[in-house]
Amino acid sequence: AQSVAQPEDQVNVAEGNPLTVKCTYSVSGNPYLFWYVQYPNRGLQFLLKYITGDNLVKGSYGFEAEFNKSQTSFHLKKPSALVSDSALYFCAVRAPGAGSYQLTFGKGTKLSVIP
Amino acid sequence: GAVVSQHPSWVICKSGTSVKIECRSLDFQATTMFWYRQFPKQSLMLMATSNEGSKATYEQGVEKDKFLINHASLTLSTLTVTSAHPEDSSFYICSARDREQGASYEQYFGPGTRLTVT
Repeated sequence: AQSVAQPEDQVNVAEGNPLTVKCTYSVSGNPYLFWYVQYPNRGLQFLLKYITGDNLVKGSYGFEAEFNKSQTSFHLKKPSALVSDSALYFCAVRAPGAGSYQLTFGKGTKLSVIP
Repeated sequence: GAVVSQHPSWVICKSGTSVKIECRSLDFQATTMFWYRQFPKQSLMLMATSNEGSKATYEQGVEKDKFLINHASLTLSTLTVTSAHPEDSSFYICSARDREQGASYEQYFGPGTRLTVT
């Protein structure tokens, strides 16, 4: 069975500083990895994904993530945090293969960017 | 971009009544839609996978007779919470896959429906 771990419930960072939101995964085979962001009382918005190719993936709003196969990690990063980045961030994984398109989500990490 | 809508965005109902939540893909056809439930400050829990023209596949522990799912067309799936109780109060989110895209593409999420049962 596949699983995702987001070890931090909350991450606080000062505006303008770099931010990292951690994610590790467990899946059979090569994973499809995703990051989503959720603002209060809203659905999830897609940020970026890793399917294959370059380990550094660039996504929306200046976010990027690095796929590290040896460490089974897919940490989300941004060079300079904005107050508007404050939200709930979810990492998700899908095992490649026929039939199932289900995503398994981590528990989420609340990011607070302090002015 | 692909847009998924949900209706209503919030609903309050009395205990014992039934509530229907709609999930629509507005600019693409979705052979597969997913229904999630999210408790406060928690992750999304997959309830069921809805396939157009066939019965939904429910996750373990989800009562199929309580959470009725219908996916009658390529753009609409509905979730009906029957005989709702206060413990069914939650944030329900749907997502959809574009059938024209490959397996590696992301799911598109609706904005969610806040259900409160009094």
